[in-house]
Amino acid sequence: QKEVEQDPGPLSVPEGAIVSLNCTYSNSAFQYFMWYRQYSRKGPELLMYTYSSGNKEDGRFTAQVDKSSKYISLFIRDSQPSDSATYLCAMVLEGAQKLVFGQGTRLTINP
Amino acid sequence: DTAVSQTPKYLVTQMGNDKSIKCEQNLGHDTMYWYKQDSKKFLKIMFSYNNKELIINETVPNRFSPKSPDKAHLNLHINSLELGDSAVYFCASSQVHRGVSEAFFGQGTRLTVV
Repeated sequence: QKEVEQDPGPLSVPEGAIVSLNCTYSNSAFQYFMWYRQYSRKGPELLMYTYSSGNKEDGRFTAQVDKSSKYISLFIRDSQPSDSATYLCAMVLEGAQKLVFGQGTRLTINP
Repeated sequence: DTAVSQTPKYLVTQMGNDKSIKCEQNLGHDTMYWYKQDSKKFLKIMFSYNNKELIINETVPNRFSPKSPDKAHLNLHINSLELGDSAVYFCASSQVHRGVSEAFFGQGTRLTVV
């Protein structure tokens, strides 16, 4: 069993839809939770990160962490074709230096 | 100005060859990493250096040898390349005091072994 599980998709939705991306994890010691966006043939770029449980909002993006369920989510409101990319969740143990990634979900927003 | 830059971007080589990938960051970060992304997009850490010192060395064949001449550079040398080494290799950097919550990645080096 992988430490971080993420449905690879692909996920295809119409423009303007609300997108929900999710990851589950097995190690309850994870403290930092991140979402990266990776366009085709590019490196991952950090979208958002949260520390421990709770919600964080940034524009059209909302990240949620539920540590009791070991479940994190990324919501994208008013999705745009430019949001089409692979979204990777990642997590870190307190004081550790390495990111543990999910497999990534490939998302396509159709105009 | 590119924050984390890798060269080359593409690398096609034959089995058994030795090759190097170079990485440089101009962000002033203390920590640098090498990650490998396989054909299913799964990203996994290989090595991490902090101020030129190796701090993470995952289960990687010893044909892979990282070298950090200074904290702005982290190179990856691969000996006796195998077909299974074909992947995209990403360099990244982050600030130590922030953990890895803000890691910046390079564009990747797409290695194809034939």
